[in-house]
Amino acid sequence: DAGITQSPRHKVTETGTPVTLRCHQTENHRYMYWYRQDPGHGLRLIHYSYGVKDTDKGEVSDGYSVSRSKTEDFLLTLESATSSQTSVYFCAISTSARSTDTQYFGPGTRLTVL
Amino acid sequence: DQQVKQNSPSLSVQEGRISILNCDYTNSMFDYFLWYKKYPAEGPTFLISISSIKDKNEDGRFTVFLNKSAKHLSLHIVPSQPGDSAVYFCAASIGDSGGYQKVTFGIGTKLQVIP
Repeated sequence: DAGITQSPRHKVTETGTPVTLRCHQTENHRYMYWYRQDPGHGLRLIHYSYGVKDTDKGEVSDGYSVSRSKTEDFLLTLESATSSQTSVYFCAISTSARSTDTQYFGPGTRLTVL
Repeated sequence: DQQVKQNSPSLSVQEGRISILNCDYTNSMFDYFLWYKKYPAEGPTFLISISSIKDKNEDGRFTVFLNKSAKHLSLHIVPSQPGDSAVYFCAASIGDSGGYQKVTFGIGTKLQVIP
């Protein structure tokens, strides 16, 4: 299994509070991704990173920001959490951006915004 | 507008029988297709893929078939085992256009293999 951890694994927070989720990898992969999974929507890309301090938006980036100060860490921040951001969040990594290059997923973080 | 559709939310199959999971897509530019498997409380794991230049790819008990004219692919699992019980995501992407190649996921099909 690829060395990917996510923290926390579960979090309950209140509307309007900031939340940061962490993804940590030990594989030294260049690309890192944040997805959210919701019923009826499958996996949707929030943001991705193609190197330290290099990030770009995905299809559902509104309300989220990311940072990558080290190769191994990719942080997802909800500046002011809303109930619509209740979801399961998955981090993924890959060696390249090519879709033929397998993405390896972390175990997920279940976030509930009350 | 979902470009990758998995119209069966769930499927039950007897152990030893064949499981067939279906996926349809609408974007004719997609040229690479993947299947991921997901167990509860875990992240998805890559299962098998197929390029649009092929119509079949096989890996052990898993075979993916691609029908480009119908914009349809299917995953066959033979024989099905209880450990195959999971959610299966179909995914598709557009080929090498430089930079990040977005992967579009379907909503998943939950497979239950009954012992």
